[in-house]
Amino acid sequence: ILNVEQSPQSLHVQEGDSTNFTCSFPSSNFYALHWYRWETAKSPEALFVMTLNGDEKKKGRISATLNTKEGYSYLYIKGSQPEDSATYLCALQNAGNNRKLIWGLGTSLAVNP
Amino acid sequence: EPEVTQTPSHQVTQMGQEVILRCVPISNHLYFYWYRQILGQKVEFLVSFYNNEISEKSEIFDDQFSVERPDGSNFTLKIRSTKLEDSAMYFCASSNDSPNSPLHFGNGTRLTVT
Repeated sequence: ILNVEQSPQSLHVQEGDSTNFTCSFPSSNFYALHWYRWETAKSPEALFVMTLNGDEKKKGRISATLNTKEGYSYLYIKGSQPEDSATYLCALQNAGNNRKLIWGLGTSLAVNP
Repeated sequence: EPEVTQTPSHQVTQMGQEVILRCVPISNHLYFYWYRQILGQKVEFLVSFYNNEISEKSEIFDDQFSVERPDGSNFTLKIRSTKLEDSAMYFCASSNDSPNSPLHFGNGTRLTVT
């Protein structure tokens, strides 16, 4: 059974702190790794889709790296703001021409002003 | 920016009843999906739909479930005879043709089976 793990489960930081969390996944049969941001009462919003080993992507203060050989991805938030408070989900897409995503449980981030 | 819309936002039904959850995907997207999240658990894949047919389904998606694209804009999920364990948040999503394109999600329908 394929399993995607995220850590930590939750995180509380102060405004201005930088933070990072981890997504671990089985590295065999890898095709893509997705990151989504999910605010309460809203729909999950795509942040990044990463496919290449060593890939780094950035969107404003949020960036992500990917290591497909060892099966992990890091998400970084620089200078956290209260509006960054959300659950950050990663999801694995395996090879085989399918679109099914296998999800982690998410990291819940709370940024205190 | 175009978005995926889902109705209703909340549905309460009695065990054994049929429910239909509705979604309008983004108009130029070609792939459609249903996911669900039972409270406190991981988001789970139910089904993907492409070219008017199911392209993949999970073991959760048994004979009680069906999907349909009745009129070229709506994409529906039907649960024929609901069970208590079907209570969950159901998300519709769509994506374009690129194989690693991100999913665009609706706001979800919270289904409560009593």
